[in-house]
Amino acid sequence: EAEVAQSPRYKITEKSQAVAFWCDPISGHATLYWYRQILGQGPELLVQFQDESVVDDSQLPKDRFSAERLKGVDSTLKIQPAELGDSAMYLCASSLKDGPINYGYTFGSGTRLTVV
Amino acid sequence: GESVGLHLPTLSVQEGDNSIINCAYSNSASDYFIWYKQESGKGPQFIIDIRSNMDKRQGQRVTVLLNKTVKHLSLQIAATQPGDSAVYFCAENMVNRDDKIIFGKGTRLHILP
Repeated sequence: EAEVAQSPRYKITEKSQAVAFWCDPISGHATLYWYRQILGQGPELLVQFQDESVVDDSQLPKDRFSAERLKGVDSTLKIQPAELGDSAMYLCASSLKDGPINYGYTFGSGTRLTVV
Repeated sequence: GESVGLHLPTLSVQEGDNSIINCAYSNSASDYFIWYKQESGKGPQFIIDIRSNMDKRQGQRVTVLLNKTVKHLSLQIAATQPGDSAVYFCAENMVNRDDKIIFGKGTRLHILP
C-alpha cells in the first residue's frame, strides 16, 4: 500500500536552533500539505503545495517557518529559530485532485518535535 | 477559525456496542467530508468519506450519515472493538476556500471491557 514517508520520526532540539522535516508524498500525488498538530487538537494546515507552487501558506509563521517543494515531489519544512511553542506533531499529507475534491488524502506518520 | 466541530471530546462505549460520533460543520459550500482515525503517535488514517450529494455511505463496520439541513455529520461504528480506541476527526473539503481540508478538534473513543 502506498504511503507518505516522513523523517525523522522524532526530533528533540534546543530553542533557537534550526530544525528541518522531510516528506515524500505518494507517487503521482500533485498536492502536498504540511500540518501542525498540537496534542489533543486536530491538525492545522500550515502550507499547501500544488506541484512545486505554494497554493496557501496563510497560516505559516513566515518569520521562522519556511517550506519548499523544489521539484514538485518531496518537500522540506524548516523552522529557524525553534521556539518552545513549536513543540508539536508535524504531519505531511498528499492527495490527488479531481476538480475541487481532494481524493486519496493520505497522511504520513508525522514528526514529533520537542523543543527544550 | 475552524468551522468543523465535535459535540463531545470523549466517548466511552462498551465493547461490542455500537458507537456514534457526531460532528457539526458550518460551511454550507463544503462538498466533501471525511472521517479519520488517529491512534496515539500516528498520523490520521482515512476511514470513510461522503460527498454532499449523498446522505449515507457504508463501509466495513462503519457508516457515515450526512444531514445537510442541520449541517451535521456522524460516524457509526458497529460492534465496537478494542482496536477502535483512538481519536476520531471529521474533516470537510472547503470547496470555495482553496479546496482545503479543515479538521475539527476530535473525539476520543474509549472502549470499556
